[in-house]
This record gives sequence, structure tokens and C-alpha cells, in this order.
Amino acid sequence: AQSVTQPDIHITVSEGASLELRCNYSYGATPYLFWYVQSPGQGLQLLLKYFSGDTLVQGIKGFEAEFKRSQSSFNLRKPSVHWSDAAEYFCAVGAAYGGATNKLIFGTGTLLAVQP
Amino acid sequence: DGGITQSPKYLFRKEGQNVTLSCEQNLNHDAMYWYRQDPGQGLRLIYYSQIVNDFQKGDIAEGYSVSREKKESFPLTVTSAQKNPTAFYLCASSIDRKQYFGPGTRLTVT
Repeated sequence: AQSVTQPDIHITVSEGASLELRCNYSYGATPYLFWYVQSPGQGLQLLLKYFSGDTLVQGIKGFEAEFKRSQSSFNLRKPSVHWSDAAEYFCAVGAAYGGATNKLIFGTGTLLAVQP
Repeated sequence: DGGITQSPKYLFRKEGQNVTLSCEQNLNHDAMYWYRQDPGQGLRLIYYSQIVNDFQKGDIAEGYSVSREKKESFPLTVTSAQKNPTAFYLCASSIDRKQYFGPGTRLTVT
């Protein structure tokens, strides 16, 4: 069965430090991979996506992610974190489901805190 | 501005009452989705609809119902049969395999 694992429930980094959020997936075919960000009490905003091609993808707000098929991973990175990046981050994999190809399976999220 | 609207932002109901959550989009997207979010559990799919007048159950459809009479609208009814209805509910629509989310409705049932 398809699944997404975000092993870190909560991460704290200092402002200006680099960030890497981990995501591992289990999927039988070529996955479509996404990272979303959620501020408290808000909806989810799409940060970036991987469908095919270049395995290093750039997103909004200075984020990037690298797809590594051999490791079944799609880790999110940012070279220098800003206080406004404090939020919850969700990794998701796109799966075929009952004929629809747009069903997303979400990880349980990583809550990022940023220290001044 | 194009986007997804969910109303109300906060909703309070007594146990045993049905309640309907609104979701409207003006993005001209064919597919729409309802998710439930609980702390520490990520998002779980309740129902989805690929086209008007058609919808499918997701992973946790029990106690919920939907309709899709218009492309723009995909309301979700939380029935009294839903055992733990208190949660944050998110609506989404999609195009080109990307899903876009509304701001959510927090439902509290006491």
C-alpha cells in the first residue's frame, strides 16, 4: 500500500540556519511528490512538486527538494531559515485511486519551530 | 481573485445534529476533495469528485455525505452517524495533478 513517512514530528532550528525535512514514501510506480506548508488554523499551500525530469526541484519561498528514487525519499531543504518559515510541513505522494489519478496520500507532518 | 472559499471558519454544533460545510471554487477545476485533519494524523480523504454529479468515497467516508450539483460547489454534510466529528475540515480542488486548498472549517461538536 502507498504510504508517506515523515520521521520528524517536531524540529527546532535557529534563524539563519539550514533546514532539511525528511520524507520517505512507499509507492509501486513512479510517484508524483509534493510538499505543502500550513500555518496554524490555515489551509495548505503548495511549496513544490516533482512529476518527472530533474530530480532537484525548486519551489516558492526559497525551498527546494530532491527526489532520490534509490532511497524512496523526497527531502525538503532551505539554506537559511527565516522566522516566518515556522509552520507545519506536509509531504504527499500522488497515487492512482479508483481511476482518479489525483488522490494524495499525506504524511503526518513536521512542525517547524524557528528560534531567534 | 480566484480561489477556494470555505465557510464558516468556525462551526459549533450539538451532538446528534447534522451540519453542512460549504466549499466553493472559482478556479474552474473539475476535481474537488474533502479532507479531515486531526492532530498528529495528517490529512485523510473523506470524499472526492472528478466531475459534476459524480463523487467517490475516500478512506474515511462513514458518517459523511456530499453532493456535486455544480462544478463550483462541493458541500460536505457531517451526519449524526459520524462518531468523532470534531476536527478541522479542508476542501481542495485540483488541476494538472496539483491540489489547491481552501482555508478550512474547524467544526466542534459538543
